[in-house]
Amino acid sequence: AQKVTQAQTEISVVEKEDVTLDCVYETRDTTYYLFWYKQPPSGELVFLIRRNSFDEQNEISGRYSWNFQKSTSSFNFTITASQVVDSAVYFCALSGSSNTGKLIFGQGTTLQVKP
Amino acid sequence: DTAVSQTPKYLVTQMGNDKSIKCEQNLGHDTMYWYKQDSKKFLKIMFSYNNKELIINETVPNRFSPKSPDKAHLNLHINSLELGDSAVYFCASSQRKFQETQYFGPGTRLLVL
Repeated sequence: AQKVTQAQTEISVVEKEDVTLDCVYETRDTTYYLFWYKQPPSGELVFLIRRNSFDEQNEISGRYSWNFQKSTSSFNFTITASQVVDSAVYFCALSGSSNTGKLIFGQGTTLQVKP
Repeated sequence: DTAVSQTPKYLVTQMGNDKSIKCEQNLGHDTMYWYKQDSKKFLKIMFSYNNKELIINETVPNRFSPKSPDKAHLNLHINSLELGDSAVYFCASSQRKFQETQYFGPGTRLLVL
């Protein structure tokens, strides 16, 4: 069975703090993809990143960075110098080679950034 | 310019009614999906079509029926609406059916009274 766990239900930080959102996944597939999506208060789902299981290189995009570690089955997301506009629900998701393309989502982490 | 669009954005209806939600993508993608987001924000796949062919049909009551007239459109028809159907329904599309990035529509918030 495939599963994604985001153990942090809610995180609250003050602007300019760094924050890491945890994501742990389970799959028996050797080929799989991991994703992060952002859902701001307006409700849409915004794609942030896609990473395949063969690429463990960390990725940085502006204030966002992702740490993928196959050894611990984790794909954590760090926001550096958080801003109020980062307040949203963040979802980690998994798509394995055996599941015909569907995304398995974690429960989501609600991030509140206070001014 | 909108990549994946859904209509309507909001839907308020009475129990027992039948309603439809429409989805269109202008990305030229082959695969489209319906997801349901419940009140606790949990997102779950319902259906997926690839080039008008149904490829994913999760355990969904058969009151829900998807229809794909062409690969740019995927509609969701719901018969005999129940209170538990209240949720946000998201349409998404991807280039191909396996492990591609899925781009989501704005969602349709359905409230059944």
